[in-house]
Amino acid sequence: DQQVKQNSPSLSVQEGRISILNCDYTNSMFDYFLWYKKYPAEGPTFLISISSIKDKNEDGRFTVFLNKSAKHLSLHIVPSQPGDSAVYFCAAIGTNFGNEKLTFGTGTRLTIIP
Amino acid sequence: DSGVTQTPKHLITATGQRVTLRCSPRSGDLSVYWYQQSLDQGLQFLIQYYNGEERAKGNILERFSAQQFPDLHSELNLSSLELGDSALYFCASSVIQGGYNEQFFGPGTRLTVL
Repeated sequence: DQQVKQNSPSLSVQEGRISILNCDYTNSMFDYFLWYKKYPAEGPTFLISISSIKDKNEDGRFTVFLNKSAKHLSLHIVPSQPGDSAVYFCAAIGTNFGNEKLTFGTGTRLTIIP
Repeated sequence: DSGVTQTPKHLITATGQRVTLRCSPRSGDLSVYWYQQSLDQGLQFLIQYYNGEERAKGNILERFSAQQFPDLHSELNLSSLELGDSALYFCASSVIQGGYNEQFFGPGTRLTVL
């Protein structure tokens, strides 16, 4: 049962434009959501997060939006740069679960076209 | 560099064999996590240790086992290997201080079972 879903395996965006990556979840007990970025031959690195008590969190060019009623979150990258080309994973955690395991989506490969 | 180290970087072995993957967490982190990433899949949580004790278990096969030693490094043992065990194995570490605590990932070990 895939509790975190990223339905777009890949996305291509022109440099300078907005990249929008989407993620859906099914478990309403998740209360913290994260985006990780992964380059080839490296481990995932944390990008940005959002608590379920918020609907938006912004950090420089990166903004994450959370729609709890729709169980949907999105990552916006503006403007997109060539260095943003990577695989992006959405992840969720339930801080009241008694453990700290991350549940990951399958990832979206973002390609920024110069 | 996340501060989490994993050895070896690559491992090629045959079906039926046993291997050990090693992880050293960031200095000061007491919690270690193991994740498996198979081809085109998201990261699947395997197991979490906290200060030497098992804290959470995910979809870890009975052929797999892990432990965390007094110096906090962790080992993941995979036995009776099958072709389907070929994957990237990531270790992550974090502190646990309530709420969400960022997990820092190592570069991974790529296991190939022939």
